[in-house]
Amino acid sequence: DSGVTQTPKHLITATGQRVTLRCSPRSGDLSVYWYQQSLDQGLQFLIQYYNGEERAKGNILERFSAQQFPDLHSELNLSSLELGDSALYFCASSPEIGGSYGYTFGSGTRLTVV
Amino acid sequence: ELKVEQNPLFLSMQEGKNYTIYCNYSTTSDRLYWYRQDPGKSLESLFVLLSNGAVKQEGRLMASLDTKARLSTLHITAAVHDLSATYFCAVARRETSGSRLTFGEGTQLTVNP
Repeated sequence: DSGVTQTPKHLITATGQRVTLRCSPRSGDLSVYWYQQSLDQGLQFLIQYYNGEERAKGNILERFSAQQFPDLHSELNLSSLELGDSALYFCASSPEIGGSYGYTFGSGTRLTVV
Repeated sequence: ELKVEQNPLFLSMQEGKNYTIYCNYSTTSDRLYWYRQDPGKSLESLFVLLSNGAVKQEGRLMASLDTKARLSTLHITAAVHDLSATYFCAVARRETSGSRLTFGEGTQLTVNP
């Protein structure tokens, strides 16, 4: 157990629907990162939050949004889902902004859009 | 745009043999990470390399970083079947107010008896 908790582990939903993925960072970590892993795109950075504030943004689609709450857990919202959004979504956390102490990954949420 | 390239992408080796995985990246960075991923599982941190010339070893794996050449290597010594997995290198890029990891494509390692 890495200490980063992601729920749910698996999600199957239909095209056009909206889902929310949840991440609790490792105790003491203030930064949360979201990554998408798919066969064709590999591992892609989506977004970073630090202590509740958005700090870095990758190629995150406009249909996707995220936030980090005061208790430091984060949610990734995916809407108007398409077949191509099927992927493994990872959350990672680190103690500070720059990753000098490394990044710890959760076990991921496997999203299947049918 | 930062690009990270690994080679080889697929590696099949015999138990007991040695081999090296290479990770090249396109822009300056002094922070490089190696991860292991088993099929359908999470990314397990193997090494964090934070400076030029850094070398770290854990069991049969040794990683090094040459920031001037923009190259990291992951050396496998006397491979065993349990090392079969996909190995990723990732380079950290610090931005104005945050950071991100850019991953290589991954090297799928199969160790045969």
